[in-house]
Amino acid sequence: EDQVTQSPEALRLQEGESSSLNCSYTVSGLRGLFWYRQDPGKGPEFLFTLYSAGEEKEKERLKATLTKKESFLHITAPKPEDSATYLCAVQPSGNTPLVFGKGTRLSVIA
Amino acid sequence: DVKVTQSSRYLVKRTGEKVFLECVQDMDHENMFWYRQDPGLGLRLIYFSYDVKMKEKGDIPEGYSVSREKKERFSLILESASTNQTSMYLCASSLLYRVGETQYFGPGTRLLVL
Repeated sequence: EDQVTQSPEALRLQEGESSSLNCSYTVSGLRGLFWYRQDPGKGPEFLFTLYSAGEEKEKERLKATLTKKESFLHITAPKPEDSATYLCAVQPSGNTPLVFGKGTRLSVIA
Repeated sequence: DVKVTQSSRYLVKRTGEKVFLECVQDMDHENMFWYRQDPGLGLRLIYFSYDVKMKEKGDIPEGYSVSREKKERFSLILESASTNQTSMYLCASSLLYRVGETQYFGPGTRLLVL
């Protein structure tokens, strides 16, 4: 069965304290891995798509990396406005919908 | 920019009522999806559609139906609302029914069933 596990469930950081969120997956052939940001009461906002091991993508203070079994979302010198829930999703082989993890709730304290 | 809109941000209904949630996308996307999101359970797929008048069951279709009469519009129907359908409902769309296609989400509808 295709599965996505995100850790930690919640993370509290001081402003400027860099850290990483983890997304580990077991799927029958990875075709794409997606990161989203979700603010409370809103829909998820697309951040990145990664397709193959070794790929990296960056956007402002965020950097996503991918290996054959997991992805990391690195947050460098976070600010309070980075506080949100970060969701990871994978697309297995074949024409199947995305499989989502339960998310990591990030709080950045000034 | 992709825009996915949902008909209501907040909705309060009574048990047994028929409820319609509507979703519209403006980017000519082929695929549309309905999810519900509950604390501790994450996003769960209810139904999806890869073409007009086509639909596929997701992980939790019981108690729901869908309609896609036009490419840009995908409706979720609760035939007889129950309190356990109180949730955040999210619509999404993607360009093609092909692997690796990014899904774009709407703002969500928070439904309360009393």
